[in-house]
Amino acid sequence: DTGVSQDPRHKITKRGQNVTFRCDPISEHNRLYWYRQTLGQGPEFLTYFQNEAQLEKSRLLSDRFSAERPKGSFSTLEIQRTEQGDSAMYLCASSLGLRPGLAGGGTRTDTQYFGPGTRLTVL
Amino acid sequence: DAKTTQPNSMESNEEEPVHLPCNHSTISGTDYIHWYRQLPSQGPEYVIHGLTSNVNNRMASLAIAEDRKSSTLILHRATLRDAAVYYCILRDPGRTYKYIFGTGTRLKVLA
Repeated sequence: DTGVSQDPRHKITKRGQNVTFRCDPISEHNRLYWYRQTLGQGPEFLTYFQNEAQLEKSRLLSDRFSAERPKGSFSTLEIQRTEQGDSAMYLCASSLGLRPGLAGGGTRTDTQYFGPGTRLTVL
Repeated sequence: DAKTTQPNSMESNEEEPVHLPCNHSTISGTDYIHWYRQLPSQGPEYVIHGLTSNVNNRMASLAIAEDRKSSTLILHRATLRDAAVYYCILRDPGRTYKYIFGTGTRLKVLA
């Protein structure tokens, strides 16, 4: 399988505990994104990496949240001191990045490909 | 960011065509129109995208109005596996990295 993978798929934790999620993007993709999705809503953007650099963070990403992509490959998202409001699906996506001058709609538009998500339940 | 408007839900009979509309009256000239779908308990799945011309791929067709203020995702023969939430998203890849999802259209396919 060469798609985006996420681990774990499900996580149940008690309020106040720390949790860490992992995302493995498609191998040649240099861009990686984290989104959060609550029930009945579309995904909301959290943060974005180009290679190992974190270039954008949403204000949704409070101080309890931290994301890393240390070698420009896999990424981790950590939530410290979890709260019940953190219960959601956490989605990772990756994309190839814009390549000016190349033909092909997928490359030019930097289409994102999503993983299956990690469902977090905070009790 | 330009916004999109989609119906909350639609129903279709199996093996019939489905036309999912999306209004985006404030679209800019450099916004691409993307469609994703999300099956239950899965991440969003890329369906199709376009800029100005109608587009076809193995999953669907995308019909874009001449003024680009609306578009329609066409599933030529709906199957039960097409039951999902369909999102229409605008994005200018030169200006922003992220997708802004709305609440999408929940498609129900009747056997």
